[in-house]
Amino acid sequence: DAGVIQSPRHEVTEMGQEVTLRCKLISGHNSLFWYRQTMMRGLELLIYFNNNVPIDDSGMPEDRFSAKMPNASFSTLKIQPSEPRDSAVYFCASSLSSGPYDTQYFGPGTRLTVL
Amino acid sequence: GDSVTQMEGPVTLSEEAFLTINCTYTATGYPSLFWYVQYPGEGLQLLLKATKADDKGSNKGFEATYRKETTSFHLEKGSVQVSDSAVYFCALRPNQAGTALIFGKGTTLSVSS
Repeated sequence: DAGVIQSPRHEVTEMGQEVTLRCKLISGHNSLFWYRQTMMRGLELLIYFNNNVPIDDSGMPEDRFSAKMPNASFSTLKIQPSEPRDSAVYFCASSLSSGPYDTQYFGPGTRLTVL
Repeated sequence: GDSVTQMEGPVTLSEEAFLTINCTYTATGYPSLFWYVQYPGEGLQLLLKATKADDKGSNKGFEATYRKETTSFHLEKGSVQVSDSAVYFCALRPNQAGTALIFGKGTTLSVSS
């Protein structure tokens, strides 16, 4: 199994530009999570999908952030316009289902730098 | 709300030393408990988990026991190696469908030879 795939691995952009992060779930998984990791705030859940439907988006910082699942195996996280404070490592994770015992499998992350 | 508290790091040990990283949680009901490890430049990997009270999770020489009476899930290893240097995250997942992991802030472990 290829595991959770994220692209790009690194992204450097300038303030005001649109950024799109991509994630491919593990085949057969139906829950998808986006996290953000910074030194100051640690790991924060941004949004959580189950069966392509957003379940909890309370962690999305503001309207500049949006996430979609156009199909069952793929998700995008978009930031428009980007700001320097968005610089962080963004992880996606997938799990087999939304059950409390299911393990979340993480991708390698996208390191975003906004200048 | 539910939360996880980990001991702050960094933890610095010599090779073959005994490791304990403390983790306590606050949750209603019986959450599942997890330890994840993050090696430099990588994503998080599941290290071990326990889904009910008194369960012991173990992997790669690491162990943690789900203690409901003390709401704890401390991570231990009898003899650490340089390759264990990483950030360790304790996490819980509430015992209800449709919930995500709640993470502690992570503890950095540095092992020297």
